[in-house]
Amino acid sequence: ETGVTQTPRHLVMGMTNKKSLKCEQHLGHNAMYWYKQSAKKPLELMFVYSLEERVENNSVPSRFSPECPNSSHLFLHLHTLQPEDSALYLCASSGRTSGAYEQYFGPGTRLTVT
Amino acid sequence: AQSVTQPDIHITVSEGASLELRCNYSYGATPYLFWYVQSPGQGLQLLLKYFSGDTLVQGIKGFEAEFKRSQSSFNLRKPSVHWSDAAEYFCAVGVPSSNTGKLIFGQGTTLQVKP
Repeated sequence: ETGVTQTPRHLVMGMTNKKSLKCEQHLGHNAMYWYKQSAKKPLELMFVYSLEERVENNSVPSRFSPECPNSSHLFLHLHTLQPEDSALYLCASSGRTSGAYEQYFGPGTRLTVT
Repeated sequence: AQSVTQPDIHITVSEGASLELRCNYSYGATPYLFWYVQSPGQGLQLLLKYFSGDTLVQGIKGFEAEFKRSQSSFNLRKPSVHWSDAAEYFCAVGVPSSNTGKLIFGQGTTLQVKP
């Protein structure tokens, strides 16, 4: 595996379900990000982790819970979601110093909440 | 506040024609600038970046972009568009955030290519 991978690629869940999205980066980076991409809206940065520490949380509802057990893995735990949470969820990673801004993205998980 | 504006939401060009996608940014310091491309149902792929030096940068797939500080612009160009270039294009500026960085994205420009 190379680059940034995300699983599953597609997920359909009911509003009462609990599920998790997984992201893995194989680039030796030290920062990871979760984005939400909804139709006709700009990319929304949800969470930023640097060296496994959450450094940014952009007013994301508590039904989204991130976890970063190490610098290669990032999870997004989902529970009691709403239909408006249906979107493409993208994970990204970046490296150090000037490379901190150069993000590499995974293919995304298409989430549908029914 | 930092921001990125892509004035054109949707652009249609004929295959073989030239392309220019506009991007304007608002940022106080010397910017780190990026263009990404997203094909339907896919993640974002980095096309090119500007950190410093030569203001004309070359990227993948035959794309180039020119940084113009006086106009706060970073427009993306391609001399001859191919049907496979149809996608959504995002301009972004990198800003410091805690002990790492983050990207501020524009709203994107959807490119349609006519045969």
